[in-house]
Amino acid sequence: DADVTQTPRNRITKTGKRIMLECSQTKGHDRMYWYRQDPGLGLRLIYYSFDVKDINKGEISDGYSVSRQAQAKFSLSLESAIPNQTALYFCATSPPRGSGANVLTFGAGSRLTVL
Amino acid sequence: AQSVTQPDIHITVSEGASLELRCNYSYGATPYLFWYVQSPGQGLQLLLKYFSGDTLVQGIKGFEAEFKRSQSSFNLRKPSVHWSDAAEYFCAVGDGSLKYGNKLVFGAGTILRVKS
Repeated sequence: DADVTQTPRNRITKTGKRIMLECSQTKGHDRMYWYRQDPGLGLRLIYYSFDVKDINKGEISDGYSVSRQAQAKFSLSLESAIPNQTALYFCATSPPRGSGANVLTFGAGSRLTVL
Repeated sequence: AQSVTQPDIHITVSEGASLELRCNYSYGATPYLFWYVQSPGQGLQLLLKYFSGDTLVQGIKGFEAEFKRSQSSFNLRKPSVHWSDAAEYFCAVGDGSLKYGNKLVFGAGTILRVKS
C-alpha cells in the first residue's frame, strides 16, 4: 500500500456541489498538507496542519476548508465547487522535526473536474 | 517571500544526450532547495535536496544539482538521459523554518521530452 493515499483519484462534479477529497497516511508523520496543481503554475499550498489541533491557511485557501480527523487523516472540502477549482490536488506529509521536516511525501493526486 | 522560477516550460533532448534544467530562486536567507519529478499519472517523487554543505548534491536516478548562491540558482543535471526520464520536473524552495514546517514554494515546472 502507498504511504499516502488519496481518494477519489478522479472526480467529475457540477458547479455548486459539495466535494470532499480524502487523504490518509501510514508514515506516522504529524504534518500534512494540501496542494493544488494547475498547468503552468506549479503547486500552490491550500492548507497545512502540524497536528490534529493545528490547522493553517496556505496561499490559496479561499473556497476550501479542511478537517484533520486524526493524525493520519486530512480531508479537503469544497463547499460549493466552481469550474476554476478544476485542478489536480495533492496531499503530502512530512515529519515534525529535524531536516526531514522539510521533505514532503506526496500522494498520487486527485483529479477534480467541475463542470 | 520566497519564489522560484523555472525559465523553460518544455525541453526536448535526444536519448543519451546530457540534460540541464534551470531553476532560479528568490529567498533572503540560506534556502532549502529541492527537485521533484512527476511522471504521468503519478505523484511527486523527491530527486534530491540541498540543505547545507557541499554545493553539488547527488540524487536518485543519476541526477545531480549544483547550488550557486551568487547566481541564486539550483540547476538539475544528468549526463545521459534515458527515455524513462520523460516527465515533469519541479524545483522548490523551503523556508527552512522547522518551527513552522516546510511550506514549500514550487516553480511552474519543466516538461522534459526525450526523443529516440
